[in-house]
Amino acid sequence: EAEVAQSPRYKITEKSQAVAFWCDPISGHATLYWYRQILGQGPELLVQFQDESVVDDSQLPKDRFSAERLKGVDSTLKIQPAELGDSAMYLCASSLGSNRLTDTQYFGPGTRLTVL
Amino acid sequence: ILNVEQSPQSLHVQEGDSTNFTCSFPSSNFYALHWYRWETAKSPEALFVMTLNGDEKKKGRISATLNTKEGYSYLYIKGSQPEDSATYLCAPNNAGNMLTFGGGTRLMVKP
Repeated sequence: EAEVAQSPRYKITEKSQAVAFWCDPISGHATLYWYRQILGQGPELLVQFQDESVVDDSQLPKDRFSAERLKGVDSTLKIQPAELGDSAMYLCASSLGSNRLTDTQYFGPGTRLTVL
Repeated sequence: ILNVEQSPQSLHVQEGDSTNFTCSFPSSNFYALHWYRWETAKSPEALFVMTLNGDEKKKGRISATLNTKEGYSYLYIKGSQPEDSATYLCAPNNAGNMLTFGGGTRLMVKP
């Protein structure tokens, strides 16, 4: 069964350093999402791509976060500089993109970021 | 940002007990509701997508109902098993473009 791949699974960094996370969606999925999940809360959407275009990045802190999906396949989320409050689980998900209202989103295992 | 509430936040039950949790969301501009199960150290897994008022979905021992007029959904687990231990997340789509997740209900089933 096809899965969403993410790496690394765990990342520990010091504040003010740069970090990057990678996501490879299920083949053929046009829509890719990055979520941030803080312990005890539900996942919060950071950015949504349709192919290589950003559909929604209204919750992305653009002063320090950036995301790209250059060829409309895999994607990278970067934080520079990292702050203590960025410690969280970063989840990537993908969906077919055929019906944005009801499409099932398939999630990767996430990257657990700890900022010291 | 939508206000999505799930209750209870956590729940401990004995193996064999049946249980249910609630997801409350704004009823205006409702499009769809998604339920996910998230086991520790694994990826969140889709359970159901529901769109119509009165919808009822079932998958094995797990079922869900939807009331779009009053803005809530119930998830039921019949005869809980230890492998049902997970966090259950609901996510309505009210804006037509994105899901807003609730904080989840963490279920622990004791053998």
